Amino acid sequence: NAGVMQNPRHLVRRRGQEARLRCSPMKGHSHVYWYRQLPEEGLKFMVYLQKENIIDESGMPKERFSAEFPKEGPSILRIQQVVRGDSAAYFCASSPPGAMRNTIYFGEGSWLTVV
Amino acid sequence: DAKTTQPPSMDCAEGRAANLPCNHSTISGNEYVYWYRQIHSQGPQYIIHGLKNNETNEMASLIITEDRKSSTLILPHATLRDTAVYYCIVRVAETGGFKTIFGAGTRLFVKA
Repeated sequence: NAGVMQNPRHLVRRRGQEARLRCSPMKGHSHVYWYRQLPEEGLKFMVYLQKENIIDESGMPKERFSAEFPKEGPSILRIQQVVRGDSAAYFCASSPPGAMRNTIYFGEGSWLTVV
Repeated sequence: DAKTTQPPSMDCAEGRAANLPCNHSTISGNEYVYWYRQIHSQGPQYIIHGLKNNETNEMASLIITEDRKSSTLILPHATLRDTAVYYCIVRVAETGGFKTIFGAGTRLFVKA
């Protein structure tokens, strides 16, 4: 059973460009979470999604950041007009429905570098 | 979710047991204790969780005190690859896997 798959693993963008990070949850998982980790800092919750619904986006910056989890295909974290401060590791996690939904499983992350 | 307190760092000799403590004195009756770890530059990894009974799996053991106000994660034979940041989190089981909040964790250094 494949784990949470994230791509690209590494992404370099110039200031002002757009970054799109993709996450495919584990098979059978219907919940997706995005976290950001700045260099030498802890994991910060960004957003929680189910298929076609944003459940909790309390950790998302108010501007330039958006996330979706369509009925078909991976979850996308989109960052518009990137700035140097967006350089970070972005981790996606997924969890199954039902009683085990509190156990979340992480991907290996996408490292965004803004130059 | 209840707040947890962990020491910022610990050392352990390779081959010895690593005992990582966690205080969660405000834990509620329906909250589980979860442990994750993050090895440098990797995604966080689920280790184990429990409610009130001690739990063991292939990675670790979790000992929860009878009053549930604290717990200890035990890595029975630590290796250099166990050097990582370990996070203790308490979560309610029934309200869904939302917004798992990670604190600063304990940075475990396993030394040869």
